[in-house]
Amino acid sequence: DIVMTQTPLSLSVTPGQPASISCKSSQSLLYSDGKTYLYWYQQKPGQPPQVLIYEVSKRFSGAPDRFSGSGSGTDFTLKISRVEAEDVGVYYCVHSNQLPRSYTFGQGTKLEIK
Amino acid sequence: QVQLVQSGAEVKKPGSSVKVSCKASGGTFNSYPITWVRQVPGQGLEWMGGIIPIFGPANYAQKFQGRVTITADESTNTVYMQLSRLRSEDTAMYYCARGDVPYYYYVLEVWGQGTTVIVSS
Repeated sequence: DIVMTQTPLSLSVTPGQPASISCKSSQSLLYSDGKTYLYWYQQKPGQPPQVLIYEVSKRFSGAPDRFSGSGSGTDFTLKISRVEAEDVGVYYCVHSNQLPRSYTFGQGTKLEIK
Repeated sequence: QVQLVQSGAEVKKPGSSVKVSCKASGGTFNSYPITWVRQVPGQGLEWMGGIIPIFGPANYAQKFQGRVTITADESTNTVYMQLSRLRSEDTAMYYCARGDVPYYYYVLEVWGQGTTVIVSS
């Protein structure tokens, strides 16, 4: 089974400063169709998660443009260009597998504001 | 606009079973995957399993194999998740979520509000 490992597990950022979260998978996420099924989700306190980024670097509808994703193979990064107070929450990298169908979540990274 | 509405909170005894429902409204039902994700208090998200109703049998995470059953009722656009042999460690929030692309496990775009299950003697 694929294991998704996030670092750091928590970070505290001053508003206006950038933030970066790393996600490493135990094997390449490049699928036979040429796509990489790697997503980033944000979960604000008391709410279900919502998707920010899909296929590594594509920003989902409604996601603020200060969020960006990059990476390939086994190494991926979520960057927030300028952290805002509303970005408080937990961020998860997630992989979806097509055969067999499944999802794998990273442990989550808790973002706090200084 | 697709919405997912889950059944209400449950309190169960250890060893019993719980069945949580997730009713979809708006949009096509039977070709879109519905996934179940749980979150133990203070911990991360964990995939339990999912179903694409038109394809039939669900897929399950190995951790829950033999204890979880996910079914779909196309007549009511409802997906059910039943977890048996409950233990205190199953106390958690349970979410259903719908994929945004038919037939594939892709972006989980729409989420239910969550159902709290408490297992306590």
